[in-house]
Amino acid sequence: GAVVSQHPSRVICKSGTSVKIECRSLDFQATTMFWYRQFPKKSLMLMATSNEGSKATYEQGVEKDKFLINHASLTLSTLTVTSAHPEDSSFYICSASIVGREKLFFGSGTQLSVL
Amino acid sequence: DAKTTQPTSMDCAEGRAANLPCNHSTISGNEYVYWYRQIHSQGPQYIIHGLKNNETNEMASLIITEDRKSSTLILPHATLRDTAVYYCIVRTGTASKLTFGTGTRLQVTL
Repeated sequence: GAVVSQHPSRVICKSGTSVKIECRSLDFQATTMFWYRQFPKKSLMLMATSNEGSKATYEQGVEKDKFLINHASLTLSTLTVTSAHPEDSSFYICSASIVGREKLFFGSGTQLSVL
Repeated sequence: DAKTTQPTSMDCAEGRAANLPCNHSTISGNEYVYWYRQIHSQGPQYIIHGLKNNETNEMASLIITEDRKSSTLILPHATLRDTAVYYCIVRTGTASKLTFGTGTRLQVTL
């Protein structure tokens, strides 16, 4: 089946630094990828929709200057958490869909811890 | 996308069938019912989806009521590895965004 690879799986950084998370579709082209955030024991919250070759669409309340999304190719989208603070510590998950297919596939997630 | 209601938690004995209900009374005609599950600290895993008819695959069965206002996910022989949070999601097939609710935490016990 289709595979979405997310890297890194875990990252620890100092407050004020930026962290980049990669999401790759390994065996299919994804014109659209999605980024979610999840706090402990909570459900997934959609942050933004990443479209190849165009600007990402952010959900209400998500700071686009804080969470930079780039979708430069049909197989790669990146999420950069800029000037990270402890409150940005969370589990970030990406997902991608195949054009014309109804399923959405998810990466394994990235646990970000900001000290 | 239509909102869904699921029980917060359920228990199931290993080897027995796990029946997870979902209410989606405001579903519209072009919206599909999807089920995903999330095992602790992992990304969600697709289980099954359907529009009107009941569906079955190697993982589970999906039973959708005739009025489509509710559905049930059936894991025929639950194992300890099926312990997870199960999400019932309703969305249009052509729109890729998935909006997650709170899900049902299924605990499979010996």
